[in-house]
Amino acid sequence: KQEVTQIPAALSVPEGENLVLNCSFTDSAIYNLQWFRQDPGKGLTSLLLIQSSQREQTSGRLNASLDKSSGRSTLYIAASQPGDSATYLCAVRPRGGTASKLTFGTGTRLQVTL
Amino acid sequence: DAGITQSPRHKVTETGTPVTLRCHQTENHRYMYWYRQDPGHGLRLIHYSYGVKDTDKGEVSDGYSVSRSKTEDFLLTLESATSSQTSVYFCAISEVTSVGVFFGPGTRLTVL
Repeated sequence: KQEVTQIPAALSVPEGENLVLNCSFTDSAIYNLQWFRQDPGKGLTSLLLIQSSQREQTSGRLNASLDKSSGRSTLYIAASQPGDSATYLCAVRPRGGTASKLTFGTGTRLQVTL
Repeated sequence: DAGITQSPRHKVTETGTPVTLRCHQTENHRYMYWYRQDPGHGLRLIHYSYGVKDTDKGEVSDGYSVSRSKTEDFLLTLESATSSQTSVYFCAISEVTSVGVFFGPGTRLTVL
C-alpha cells in the first residue's frame, strides 16, 4: 500500500527566505505526483503536476522536482512571501490506476513571517 | 480555477436526519470524487464516479451513497447522519488524461 509522508508537519520562515518542502512515497510505480496548497477553510488549489517521466516542473516562484527511484519529491519556493502561508499537500497517483487511487500526504503547514 | 461548485457550503443538522450535498462542474470531466477531510486523517475518498450512473466505493464509504444522473452533477447522501460524519467534504474532478485532479471549495457539515 502506498504511503506518502510530508516532513516537517509545520515550518515557519521569515519573509524572503527560499525554502524546500518534502514529500516521500514508498511505492515508486507512480503515474504522476501533484502538489496542492490549501488555505485555512478553503479547498485545495493545484500548484504543479509532475508526470513520472519528468524530473521537474516550474511555475513562477515554485519549482517541483521528482526522483522516482528514491521515492521523493520536493517543492521549492523562492523568495517566500506572507501570502505563501498555507498548508501544502502532495498526492501520488499510481501507475495503471485512475485518480481514484490518489494517496495524499498529511501536509506541511507553512507560515511566512514579516 | 476549475469550474466546480458545491452546495451548501455550510450545514448544521441533527443526528438521524438525511443530508444531501451537491457538486456541480462545468468542465465536462468524466471522473468525479467525494472526499472528507478530518484532522489527523487527511483526505479520504468516500465514493467516486467514472461516468453517468457509474459509481464505486472509496475507502470510507459506509453510511454514504452517491448518484450521478448527469455528467455535471454528483450528489453525496448521508441517509441518516451521525456525529462521526461531522467533517469538511470536498468534491473533485479529473479527466482520463493526465491533467491532474481539481477540487471544489468544500462543504462544512456539522452533525449535532
